[in-house]
Amino acid sequence: RKEVEQDPGPFNVPEGATVAFNCTYSNSASQSFFWYRQDCRKEPKLLMSVYSSGNEDGRFTAQLNRASQYISLLIRDSKLSDSATYLCVVILEMFSGGYNKLIFGAGTRLAVHP
Amino acid sequence: GAVVSQHPSRVICKSGTSVKIECRSLDFQATTMFWYRQFPKQSLMLMATSNEGSKATYEQGVEKDKFLINHASLTLSTLTVTSAHPEDSSFYICSAKHSLLNTEAFFGQGTRLTVV
Repeated sequence: RKEVEQDPGPFNVPEGATVAFNCTYSNSASQSFFWYRQDCRKEPKLLMSVYSSGNEDGRFTAQLNRASQYISLLIRDSKLSDSATYLCVVILEMFSGGYNKLIFGAGTRLAVHP
Repeated sequence: GAVVSQHPSRVICKSGTSVKIECRSLDFQATTMFWYRQFPKQSLMLMATSNEGSKATYEQGVEKDKFLINHASLTLSTLTVTSAHPEDSSFYICSAKHSLLNTEAFFGQGTRLTVV
């Protein structure tokens, strides 16, 4: 089983739609969670952190469910510019090595059309 | 926000030669740097994790003698692809992170390597 799993999509939605992505992680020791956005042939950029209490940033809402080991991203009122690949990221604190390990999901592609 | 600079952004090299890619954190001390590889239409694949002053930890299937990683300072990590072959052609991205657990990682702009 992959450490972080996402539905690859693509999700094809019209402008104005609401779309939700889920991401599951296998390591219960996972400590921090983020959503990144990657545009074609570019590096990933942080979209938002994911907190246990859930957090919202404009049209974007992220939630974490530690019991079920998944995180979600909700995008409301989709824009054409939201078209990208959304990457779920989990950080593990590796006590034995004393470092953090950053694990990416494979990404979910979103295509917003007029 | 924090900036990570990766250089070069694009390189074409002959088969059999070595290529060095630099990753610098410009305004913070990156205790950990990550190196990823991404083939077209595929996800980022973690190659190795490096901590300043210690040997890198390589993911399974990544040859440490082929992909040499040096993290000599808190602001610089280098990846050297030795004896490059066409199958090494890919998009290589570095990421840098402060040691504080709940901080995000920042990415370099990526290096597109083409081996001919």
